[in-house]
Amino acid sequence: QKEVEQNSGPLSVPEGAIASLNCTYSDRVSQSFFWYRQYSGKSPELIMSIYSNGDKEDGRFTAQLNKASQYVSLLIRDSQPSDSATYLCAVIPIRGNFNKFYFGSGTKLNVKP
Amino acid sequence: DAMVIQNPRYQVTQFGKPVTLSCSQTLNHNVMYWYQQKSSQAPKLLFHYYDKDFNNEADTPDNFQSRRPNTSFCFLDIRSPGLGDAAMYLCATSREPPGQGVGETQYFGPGTRLLVL
Repeated sequence: QKEVEQNSGPLSVPEGAIASLNCTYSDRVSQSFFWYRQYSGKSPELIMSIYSNGDKEDGRFTAQLNKASQYVSLLIRDSQPSDSATYLCAVIPIRGNFNKFYFGSGTKLNVKP
Repeated sequence: DAMVIQNPRYQVTQFGKPVTLSCSQTLNHNVMYWYQQKSSQAPKLLFHYYDKDFNNEADTPDNFQSRRPNTSFCFLDIRSPGLGDAAMYLCATSREPPGQGVGETQYFGPGTRLLVL
């Protein structure tokens, strides 16, 4: 079982719509959660982090965390063609001295004009 | 602006010819990481340094080595590149190690794309 699972997509949404990206994780001791955006051929850039259950909003982006169900999602409101990219979910399970980031393979988002 | 810099951005090498990739940071972060990322895959952690303490992932091939001569610089050496080593190599930094709260957030450099002929 992978530590972090994401649907590879592509997820296609029309411009102006809400894009919903989902991520599930396997280890209940995970405490830190991140969303990164990665344009084709570029490196990941941080969108936001979330640590507590519930919603966290930053501009057009909202991260949602549900630790009981072990999923974290990212909503993008008013999607723009410039949002077309691969979105990576990352989690940190707390396992003592050997903590590290676990990344999903990403969901490819296409926003159509 | 504080940042993570990687050089070169593109590297072409021949099968078996040693290559060195470099990373520098002006963020004054304690932790530096090297990841390998192949197309449509998750970044795979190769090494990380917490200050001068070196941590090697168990499945990182012996063909890969790393050096961190000072806080700002980190190098990835590939001693005998094979065709399977062609990938994007990502350097990342964080103020604190994973599991330490907000300072654990990782910031990536632009990456070096390695092509092996």
